[in-house]
Amino acid sequence: DAGVIQSPRHEVTEMGQEVTLRCKPISGHDYLFWYRQTMMRGLELLIYFNNNVPIDDSGMPEDRFSAKMPNASFSTLKIQPSEPRDSAVYFCASSLYDHGYTFGSGTRLTVV
Amino acid sequence: RKEVEQDPGPFNVPEGATVAFNCTYSNSASQSFFWYRQDCRKEPKLLMSVYSSGNEDGRFTAQLNRASQYISLLIRDSKLSDSATYLCVVSSASGGSYIPTFGRGTSLIVHP
Repeated sequence: DAGVIQSPRHEVTEMGQEVTLRCKPISGHDYLFWYRQTMMRGLELLIYFNNNVPIDDSGMPEDRFSAKMPNASFSTLKIQPSEPRDSAVYFCASSLYDHGYTFGSGTRLTVV
Repeated sequence: RKEVEQDPGPFNVPEGATVAFNCTYSNSASQSFFWYRQDCRKEPKLLMSVYSSGNEDGRFTAQLNRASQYISLLIRDSKLSDSATYLCVVSSASGGSYIPTFGRGTSLIVHP
């Protein structure tokens, strides 16, 4: 298996622009998580899905953030409009039940 | 009190040393426990699960103390390549799903 695949690896955008991050989980995994990591706050859980259904989005910072999982093999995290404080590394992770979490390589987002 | 707490370190040790990290958690109903390793500018990767009876994987030993609500990681005969951040992960059931919570990590630097 190719593991969890995220794209793009790096994204530099101007404040106010829309940003879309993409994730392909490991085939067969039933959980998908979106995390944000910064030096100040560490790894923060933004939202997670179970069998494509959003379960808890209480970690999503604001209405500017939205996430979808239209099928078992694809998820997106969208920020609209983006702000400089959104600059961080965004990780997607998937798991089968509660048997450990496999992370993608992350998307390093810079909003200028 | 934070859900999962770790000493951020850094722990600075010479090659060959034995080093131990602790992690405390607040939810007594937590069910699954893991140690992850994260290298600089990389994604977290599963190091080992932590079982109730304790478990060992080569130079690494993990233990769980449910009564005191902490888990530990012991690294024997430290190698330069062990230098990384070690993240404690605690998973708790919530409405039929499982939510992993990551600690902020403990930084380990192994020097010659």
